[in-house]
Amino acid sequence: NAGVIQTPRHKVTGKGQEATLWCEPISGHSAVFWYRQTIVQGLEFLTYFRNQAPIDDSGMPKERFSAQMPNQSHSTLKIQSTQPQDSAVYLCASSILGPYAEQFFGPGTRLTVL
Amino acid sequence: GEQVEQLPSSLIVQEGASVLINCSYTDSASVYFPWYKQEPGKRLQFIIDIRSNMERKQNQRLTLLFDKKTKHLSLHITATQPGDSAIYFCSARGGSSNTDKVVFGTGTRLQVSP
Repeated sequence: NAGVIQTPRHKVTGKGQEATLWCEPISGHSAVFWYRQTIVQGLEFLTYFRNQAPIDDSGMPKERFSAQMPNQSHSTLKIQSTQPQDSAVYLCASSILGPYAEQFFGPGTRLTVL
Repeated sequence: GEQVEQLPSSLIVQEGASVLINCSYTDSASVYFPWYKQEPGKRLQFIIDIRSNMERKQNQRLTLLFDKKTKHLSLHITATQPGDSAIYFCSARGGSSNTDKVVFGTGTRLQVSP
């Protein structure tokens, strides 16, 4: 069991370019979460899906960030017109449904915007 | 929305010492409090959790105490080992909107010297 899979592991983009990050949750997990981790801000919630439906995107910067979950086996986080302040490690996690479900995290994608 | 604070931000101890990590949250409706550990270069890993109807939970060298009245948790790690060196995160799940969303604390960096 490979756990949650995230690709790519590292991505370098130029300012203004687009970045798409991929996440494959653990099979059978119906909740998928995206977080951003930086030294300064720590672990920030971005958005999550339940049974592929977007439930809460309260942490997403509205203008340039979007997330989708077209099927139960993958989710994408897209950042348009990337800015240096978007540089961070983006983490995906999945869990079963329920109020007491622990999350399983992927290794993260380190995004560097030059 | 829910806010989670964690103290101290860092700890340096000698092997064999005990440590205490404190965590406080704001939303009295939160029902579940998982803790995670992030070793250098590795993914976040679940280590222990507690539900809001419990006061204490132990898992080997980890003891988690919960005070619903003061909205405070504390993680006690005994007989620390160099392998315990990591960043420890508390989190709160549930909340007023009965959501799956998890809010993380700012993390405590623990360094255990041999």
